[in-house]
This record gives sequence, structure tokens and C-alpha cells, in this order.
Amino acid sequence: SAVISQKPSRDICQRGTSLTIQCQVDSQVTMMFWYRQQPGQSLTLIATANQGSEATYESGFVIDKFPISRPNLTFSTLTVSNMSPEDSSIYLCSVLTSGGPITGELFFGEGSRLTVL
Amino acid sequence: AQSVAQPEDQVNVAEGNPLTVKCTYSVSGNPYLFWYVQYPNRGLQFLLKYITGDNLVKGSYGFEAEFNKSQTSFHLKKPSALVSDSALYFCAVRVNTGGFKTIFGAGTRLFVKA
Repeated sequence: SAVISQKPSRDICQRGTSLTIQCQVDSQVTMMFWYRQQPGQSLTLIATANQGSEATYESGFVIDKFPISRPNLTFSTLTVSNMSPEDSSIYLCSVLTSGGPITGELFFGEGSRLTVL
Repeated sequence: AQSVAQPEDQVNVAEGNPLTVKCTYSVSGNPYLFWYVQYPNRGLQFLLKYITGDNLVKGSYGFEAEFNKSQTSFHLKKPSALVSDSALYFCAVRVNTGGFKTIFGAGTRLFVKA
């Protein structure tokens, strides 16, 4: 298992600004992911945060809008840039621990609830 | 396309009664299936998974799930529901699309009434 801390837990932001969300894990993990959960909807994978290299983005998500850093095996940040009300969501950091990429279960942080006015 | 479906937005059961939350999947290759639960204002928590072997998988908090290959289903069950089981439940499947990733269903909200 893993303990994942996300900051901030919630924030209210103005349109056009940017916000950086931090994710700290209590142990070294190889695979780390960022998900978005829009109000009343399921989770959508934004990107895989790769340590020491550029993140791998899913279709519909781009680096200019959601830049990600992964400086080491316990920490990552997701920035939501030039925010609009459509970016209002819960952003979840997730890691894969035991079991490997095929069968391992995901562990999640408690999420960062972002409201854009 | 590889996907997972949860046909019910909401399930209502009385405390003490058995509960079932439905999930069907569509994948190429072997299915690796998961159930997660999300309590209010919390992140997701892993409940159980099916990888291979016995079709009945037991997990946390008394939950179990039955893998049915012919029906491509992985329904979540519990013999006796508790009010504290009220939460949002997600079925998920692990797929390989040039890298392994997890696809989540739309979620089913479970209400257990006392």
C-alpha cells in the first residue's frame, strides 16, 4: 500500500490563472498517474507521470494545459494552466504499487477539488 | 474499443439485505478487473480484483465479486448490506494500449437505507 498526500485539498480560482497541485507519496513508486473526476462523472486519465522524462498524455490532454513534473520517485506536480470554469473538477493523484503494471491495484490521494469562477 | 460499463446509476437496498452492483466489460485479451469505492469527499479505495483463477473473488469490508467470462461481467456483491456501505462504486479494467492503464466505469451510487 501507499499513503498519498495531495495539496491543496481544495481551492477556488479565477478564470485565466494557473494552479499547481502537489502529490507526495510515502514510498518510492515507479508508476504515478493523474486523473480528473468532473462533477458527477467517472475518472478520466490525464497522463502518466514519468520520472526524469516528459509525461505521457492521454488523448484530449496536452502538456501546455496540464504540465506535469516528476522530479523523483515520491513526488509529482500537476499544473492546470489558464483555467476556465470547465476545469472545475477533482484532480486525483494515483500510484501503482505491488503487483506490477498489469495486475497491481491503484492507490489514490484524497483529491484536489478545484473550482474555477 | 475496450471499455467497462456500469448499467445502474444508483442502487437502493435496505440494511441487512444482499446487494449487487453490476459491471460488464469489453476487452481484447485477458481481463484484469477491479472494484473501487469512493466515500464522500475521499479518494478512491481498492476493494478487490480479478486476475486469474477462482471466479469468486473476496475483498475488503465483506465484499466479493463474481467473474463470469461468458457474460463478460464482474458484479460486486455483499450478502448483508450496511448503512456505512453507502458510497460511490467504480468498476475498472486494466488495458494495454501501448502502455498499461486503467479505465473506469461511470460509477454506481449505492444507498443503503436503515
